[in-house]
Amino acid sequence: DQQVKQNSPSLSVQEGRISILNCDYTNSMFDYFLWYKKYPAEGPTFLISISSIKDKNEDGRFTVFLNKSAKHLSLHIVPSQPGDSAVYFCAASGSSGTYKYIFGTGTRLKVLA
Amino acid sequence: DSGVTQTPKHLITATGQRVTLRCSPRSGDLSVYWYQQSLDQGLQFLIQYYNGEERAKGNILERFSAQQFPDLHSELNLSSLELGDSALYFCASSAGGLMNTEAFFGQGTRLTVV
Repeated sequence: DQQVKQNSPSLSVQEGRISILNCDYTNSMFDYFLWYKKYPAEGPTFLISISSIKDKNEDGRFTVFLNKSAKHLSLHIVPSQPGDSAVYFCAASGSSGTYKYIFGTGTRLKVLA
Repeated sequence: DSGVTQTPKHLITATGQRVTLRCSPRSGDLSVYWYQQSLDQGLQFLIQYYNGEERAKGNILERFSAQQFPDLHSELNLSSLELGDSALYFCASSAGGLMNTEAFFGQGTRLTVV
């Protein structure tokens, strides 16, 4: 049962344009959501997070939007840069006694120069 | 540098053998998580420890076990290894407790079973 889904395995965007990565979840007990960036042969690096009490969180070029009714979150990167090319994972966590982070399958972003 | 240290970085072993992967969490973090990533797939949650006690379990095989020691470092033991166990194994740590916080990942251990 895939509780966190990233339905787009890959995405290509021109440098300077907006990258939008999407993530859906099924478990309504999740109340904390995170995005990680991963380069090959490296560990995931934390990018940005959002609590379920918010619908938007912004950090520099990165903004995460949360739509609780649709159980959907998205990561916007503006403007996209070639160095943003990586695999992006969304993750979800719940505070109901366990804090494990459940990850999606990832979206490979390629920013074209 | 995330502050999470995993050793060894690479491990090659034969089928049927047993290996131990080690993780030192970030200073002050009480929670340790283990994940498996096979063939550029997603990160599969294996197990979580909080301050020495098992907190949550994922799809961890019975051949695999883990523990967190009083100094908070953790070890993942993989036994009776099969070819399909070849994967990247990541450890992550977080502050834990009642507040949601991000987890920080180590560089991973690449296990190759031959």
